[in-house]
Amino acid sequence: QKEVEQNSGPLSVPEGAIASLNCTYSDRVSQSFFWYRQYSGKSPELIMSIYSNGDKEDGRFTAQLNKASQYVSLLIRDSQPSDSATYLCAVKGPSSASKIIFGSGTRLSIRP
Amino acid sequence: DVKVTQSSRYLVKRTGEKVFLECVQDMDHENMFWYRQDPGLGLRLIYFSYDVKMKEKGDIPEGYSVSREKKERFSLILESASTNQTSMYLCATSSGGGISIEQFFGPGTRLTVL
Repeated sequence: QKEVEQNSGPLSVPEGAIASLNCTYSDRVSQSFFWYRQYSGKSPELIMSIYSNGDKEDGRFTAQLNKASQYVSLLIRDSQPSDSATYLCAVKGPSSASKIIFGSGTRLSIRP
Repeated sequence: DVKVTQSSRYLVKRTGEKVFLECVQDMDHENMFWYRQDPGLGLRLIYFSYDVKMKEKGDIPEGYSVSREKKERFSLILESASTNQTSMYLCATSSGGGISIEQFFGPGTRLTVL
């Protein structure tokens, strides 16, 4: 079992709709959770971080964390063509020495 | 804004050559990381460093070494390049310790070994 799992996609969503990206992780003591966006040929850029159960909203993005289910998701409201990218989920353990583990990413395509 | 730069965007080398990839950051971050990214395999950690002259092996260190002589600079060295080291190499940095260590990435170097 991979430590951080994501559906590779592609996930195709019509413009203006809500895109829902999901991620599960295996280490129950993980404490920090991140979503990165990566455009083709570019490096990942951090778009959201979440550390406690519940929802965290930032503009059109909402990160949701459920530690009991070991599940983290990213919702993108009012999807735009510029949201078409690969989204990487990343998870970090509780100690300062813990490494960040990245998922393989979900490719999202917003169709006009 | 954190600025992380890498010495080359594209690099073509021959099998057996010694290859140097350099990463420089200007935000005084303690932690620096080298990853490679391959289709279907995601980001894999090669080496990381929490301080000057300090290095730790990541998940796939074989065939690589690193050097951190100054806080702002972290070099990845391919001692004898092989075709299976053709990949996108990404440097990242983060500050301090604790749980909220967000990593910031450089633009990447796409290395092709012929």
